[in-house]
Amino acid sequence: EAGVAQSPRYKIIEKRQSVAFWCNPISGHATLYWYQQILGQGPKLLIQFQNNGVVDDSQLPKDRFSAERLKGVDSTLKIQPAKLEDSAVYLCASIAFVSSAGDGELFFGEGSRLTVL
Amino acid sequence: TQLLEQSPQFLSIQEGENLTVYCNSSSVFSSLQWYRQEPGEGPVLLVTVVTGGEVKKLKRLTFQFGDARKDSSLHITAAQPGDTGLYLCAGADLNYGGSQGNLIFGKGTKLSVKP
Repeated sequence: EAGVAQSPRYKIIEKRQSVAFWCNPISGHATLYWYQQILGQGPKLLIQFQNNGVVDDSQLPKDRFSAERLKGVDSTLKIQPAKLEDSAVYLCASIAFVSSAGDGELFFGEGSRLTVL
Repeated sequence: TQLLEQSPQFLSIQEGENLTVYCNSSSVFSSLQWYRQEPGEGPVLLVTVVTGGEVKKLKRLTFQFGDARKDSSLHITAAQPGDTGLYLCAGADLNYGGSQGNLIFGKGTKLSVKP
């Protein structure tokens, strides 16, 4: 079974430029997440999709970040304009099993490492 | 938003030693998960604990969920260099994110096991 695919793996941009990250979840996984992981910290949830609808985007900085999941499969996360503090690894994850106890297994991609200069 | 505190933040030990990593919160979680993350990769699930007081074993790793479901621990017996990595605990916050909830991660414990 193919895992969660993300691209690009690495991106270096100047501040105020824009960047986009792409994620292809595991086939059949309806729920998709984007996390931001700053160096030395745990992942922080940015947005959660269920199929092509947004379930929770309360922690997404909407003045500069946007995300979409057209057709309920692939997803893109965009940052425009980027700030220095956006330097982080952006992780995409998907889940197959939705549980009322919240104990489903998240499958993560390898992440996209962003450096903003 | 619920918070998960992990300790210690860093741990460097010799091969063969035992260690315990802690994950604490003032809030009750419906379940807690432990993930391990290696450099350049995404986190990989090790275990999920759901019932208060539950103990699960995965080879040399023992996971425990507190009776009140507010804390958890990970104990590694006879650590090996292959255990090196970032250990993350994550709790399901069912106040957000629909039926699955959102996974709230701790900051992690960075473990280094030297040969």
